Amino acid sequence: DSGVTQTPKHLITATGQRVTLRCSPRSGDLSVYWYQQSLDQGLQFLIQYYNGEERAKGNILERFSAQQFPDLHSELNLSSLELGDSALYFCASSSTSEGSEQFFGPGTRLTVL
Amino acid sequence: GESVGLHLPTLSVQEGDNSIINCAYSNSASDYFIWYKQESGKGPQFIIDIRSNMDKRQGQRVTVLLNKTVKHLSLQIAATQPGDSAVYFCAETRPYNNNDMRFGAGTRLTVKP
Repeated sequence: DSGVTQTPKHLITATGQRVTLRCSPRSGDLSVYWYQQSLDQGLQFLIQYYNGEERAKGNILERFSAQQFPDLHSELNLSSLELGDSALYFCASSSTSEGSEQFFGPGTRLTVL
Repeated sequence: GESVGLHLPTLSVQEGDNSIINCAYSNSASDYFIWYKQESGKGPQFIIDIRSNMDKRQGQRVTVLLNKTVKHLSLQIAATQPGDSAVYFCAETRPYNNNDMRFGAGTRLTVKP
């Protein structure tokens, strides 16, 4: 158990819908990262927050957004969902803003029908 | 273009043998590298990291070697055990330049008893 929690574990929805994925980092960690893992694209970094502020941006689509709240939990919002958005979404946390070990959550499996 | 890739998609070794998993990167500006292990149905798990000012780092049964001249990274696992069977990813990042983390496609390690 990494100490990072993600909800829900599974999510099934339809194209065009909007969903919110939730992540609670390890106690004391200030950084939260979001990743997408699909069969054809592998593991892709989406976005990082550090202590409530956006720190780095990767391959995140404009239809996707995220935020980190004062209690340091984070949410990833996916809108106008497409079939290709079906993937595993992982959240990870670390204690610093850069260059340190990241601890991954168990992931949320999103299926868009 | 920039890329992080793995030389072999699969690796099969006998229990007790040493395993070597390779990774190539193309961006000489990358300065922090991480190896992750991902077991089926779980999130990636940090194994070991190395910064660009080092060429070798050892952990428990694992060693990471970094050759900046040829932009090559390897993970050596000593006395491979069945529990080591998983997919291994290398990742590169530039913590002080957007902190964008890029992952290789992954190598599936299978340990035969």
